Formats: sequence, C-alpha cells, structure tokens
Amino acid sequence: LAKTTQPISMDSYEGQEVNITCSHNNIATNDYITWYQQFPSQGPRFIIQGYKTKVTNEVASLFIPADRKSSTLSLPRVSLSDTAVYYCLVGLSNDYKLSFGAGTTVTVRA
Amino acid sequence: DGGITQSPKYLFRKEGQNVTLSCEQNLNHDAMYWYRQDPGQGLRLIYYSQIVNDFQKGDIAEGYSVSREKKESFPLTVTSAQKNPTAFYLCASSRVVRETQYFGPGTRLLVL
Repeated sequence: LAKTTQPISMDSYEGQEVNITCSHNNIATNDYITWYQQFPSQGPRFIIQGYKTKVTNEVASLFIPADRKSSTLSLPRVSLSDTAVYYCLVGLSNDYKLSFGAGTTVTVRA
Repeated sequence: DGGITQSPKYLFRKEGQNVTLSCEQNLNHDAMYWYRQDPGQGLRLIYYSQIVNDFQKGDIAEGYSVSREKKESFPLTVTSAQKNPTAFYLCASSRVVRETQYFGPGTRLLVL
C-alpha cells in the first residue's frame, strides 16, 4: 500500500475553504486516491475517490495533478460540523487492506 | 434504509470472558471487514471475508475469531486470549474486495 503523508492538523473558520494536501510519491499506476472523514466515536465515512484530474461531488472536490504524486481535498465553505479527522488512502484497486495513518484533524471555529 | 449496523454501541467485558460483536449489512456486499482503532491512531485490520464461508486473518488476528455463515452477517468474537481488548471496533463492507469500503457506527469495548 502506497505510503501517504498529510498534515497532522489544520484550523479554519466557518465559511472558509479548507484544502488538505496528501503526498503519495510511490503511487502505483492502478492506484486510486480515496478520502474518508471520521467524527469522534463514529465509523469513517467515504467522502470522495479519484484517479486523475478533478472529481467533484456534493461534499467535496478532489484535485489530482498529472504526476499523481499528491492530491488535494477541498472542502468548500466549511461549517462547525466539518470538524473531524480526514484520512487520505491510496491503493484500493490493488489492496483489500485499508491502511489509515493518523489523518488530518480539521478544526473549524466560529 | 441501506447500511451497516453494529451492536451493541458499548460492550463491557470481564476478565476471562469471550464477547461477540455483531455486524450486519443490507447492501448486498460480498466482502466484509473488522478493524480495531485505538485512541489517536488509525485503523488496523483484524479479519476480512471475501465471500460467505470464507475469511482471512488481517494484521492483528490473535485473540479474535470470526464466522461468515450468511452474506449479511460477520460477527467478531473477542476471546479471553486477547489481553488488551479495550478499543473501538469498526465493521466495514464493500461490494467486492478491493472496492470502496463503507463503515458501520462502531462498537466500543471496555474491560471491567
């Protein structure tokens, strides 16, 4: 499973856009990039998945440059309820085993 | 309402006791998984099942056992051999193995 590196924590304010960048230098050709959100004492929730360029859904956008060695999760106009831990994972196409690191703790303040 | 359910939300275990955590899904998924999460850490795979009547050990299977007699159900038993069982246990499923996994709400196990 490709190793990922993401910031430990980020602070933001309500209404701002939050961008979390994940580095995955050894991503394999067939690997997808997946982001999960987890609130305290709850199971991780799937947010978005992509392979290249840009993917957008009702919750977030995922930007992936041409070399695919990094990706950026963009959360538009965050609210207090977006305070959570966000995990970046790489490699679902080839590996049944999800390897979650410590994730990025995003704290949204009023 | 489709999804994954886990019960109970909290479970208390006495020393030397086996306890079973329930996981049920109505998503018609073939693959199911059990993870353990310790405070401030990521998830570690305990067991996974690709199909009914089949299951494989993950990274930390010692002290745990599972069964997969029905497609919808994948119960996890924490045996007395698991010396440090206090953790948050998460069940997940996917349409087939290697596809996106969807998680249940979790069960927190505490030792009395």
